[in-house]
Amino acid sequence: DIVMTQSPDSLAVSLGERATINCKSSQSVLYSSNNKNYLAWYQQKPGQPPRLLIFWASIRESGVPERFSGSGSGTDFTLTISSLQAEDVAVYYCQQYYINPYTFGQGTKLEIK
Amino acid sequence: EGQLLESGGGLVQPGGSLRLACAASGFTFSSYDMSWVRQAPGKGLEWVADISASGGSTYYADSVKGRFTISRDNPKNTLYLQMNFLRAEDTAIYFCAKNLLVTGASPLDYWGQGTLVTVSS
Repeated sequence: DIVMTQSPDSLAVSLGERATINCKSSQSVLYSSNNKNYLAWYQQKPGQPPRLLIFWASIRESGVPERFSGSGSGTDFTLTISSLQAEDVAVYYCQQYYINPYTFGQGTKLEIK
Repeated sequence: EGQLLESGGGLVQPGGSLRLACAASGFTFSSYDMSWVRQAPGKGLEWVADISASGGSTYYADSVKGRFTISRDNPKNTLYLQMNFLRAEDTAIYFCAKNLLVTGASPLDYWGQGTLVTVSS
């Protein structure tokens, strides 16, 4: 199975500042035939189901604010929130959908400093 | 917009069985692969199983293989998860979720609110 490891486990950032969350996969999730990274990011607020933010490592889902961006390729990926808003407090998960089982990272808890 | 509504959770004794259902609406259910994902209390997300649009292909996490069965009834727009030989470590909120894309591997764009399964004597 592909193991997804996120860092840090928790993060406190001031309002308006940049937040960066990293995700590393134990093997590449880049499919060479289409040059796509099979990597998604989700946001989960307390008491709610996860919400898809980013897929193909860098494509924002419809309705997701532009302050959210994804980058990276192969085994190393980053979710960046350019200017943290109060409503961004949540746990963030990466997920690979390159090969079954479609494993998730352990989650990163984002709080306001 | 698509909606998913899970049902069937509850308290069950170790070794018991439970069948979860997920009613879908607002999208062409029969066109999309579907998944179950669970979350133990206070823990992260664990992908459990998925099923192809036709129901012909299924995949399971090793932790549930041989005990859980995913299925679907496309005319009824409903996804199921039959859970047998339940263990305490199966205690979790179970979410059903829809693939974003019609074809190929895909992340999950619509999620239900989840149903709580508690395995305890």
